[in-house]
Amino acid sequence: DADVTQTPRNRITKTGKRIMLECSQTKGHDRMYWYRQDPGLGLRLIYYSFDVKDINKGEISDGYSVSRQAQAKFSLSLESAIPNQTALYFCATSDPSGFYNEQFFGPGTRLTVL
Amino acid sequence: SQQGEEDPQALSIQEGENATMNCSYKTSINNLQWYRQNSGRGLVHLILIRSNEREKHSGRLRVTLDTSKKSSSLLITASRAADTASYFCATDGGSNYKLTFGKGTLLTVNP
Repeated sequence: DADVTQTPRNRITKTGKRIMLECSQTKGHDRMYWYRQDPGLGLRLIYYSFDVKDINKGEISDGYSVSRQAQAKFSLSLESAIPNQTALYFCATSDPSGFYNEQFFGPGTRLTVL
Repeated sequence: SQQGEEDPQALSIQEGENATMNCSYKTSINNLQWYRQNSGRGLVHLILIRSNEREKHSGRLRVTLDTSKKSSSLLITASRAADTASYFCATDGGSNYKLTFGKGTLLTVNP
């Protein structure tokens, strides 16, 4: 969905490096999410934010941190990257005023940690 | 932990055939959603079915939900090569607006 953008789209880094993945949205949604996708494991929730002051851990938050700089921006950081964090990372948004929690995804960031 | 579990993991059919994918889940839900993912790209919402609905249609898509069996199915009729993608079910438990995704079914439609 072009309304949700992620940068960078691809990143190769080394073990121990700090990495930040950025997500921006123009949908005006309050809720934003970070997922990682690994082959055969589907999507797993890392962190989610219901508004700028409300950030929550998901099922696999260890080794990650997030920052909600504004309603439209939600960044994911790997303070010290390790090889098993190699994955495809997705940002998503949803509109709490909608009756249902349909989520809108960005194009993804492919991260490789060597 | 994963809530939804799709079956089969992979499905290969010929263009024009119907494709059926199944999803089973473990706990009560508010609604169940199906998403499509083209290779290496973001997920796209396809259709949502509420817990009090049994069947829903959208174009060539038909979704059923059986809450007594905690299962759902997605039928794509008259498949096309462009339908080749991974399909994920996602459950919404209704408590805090998170979605829990299954592992997906990889559908290949051969021309």
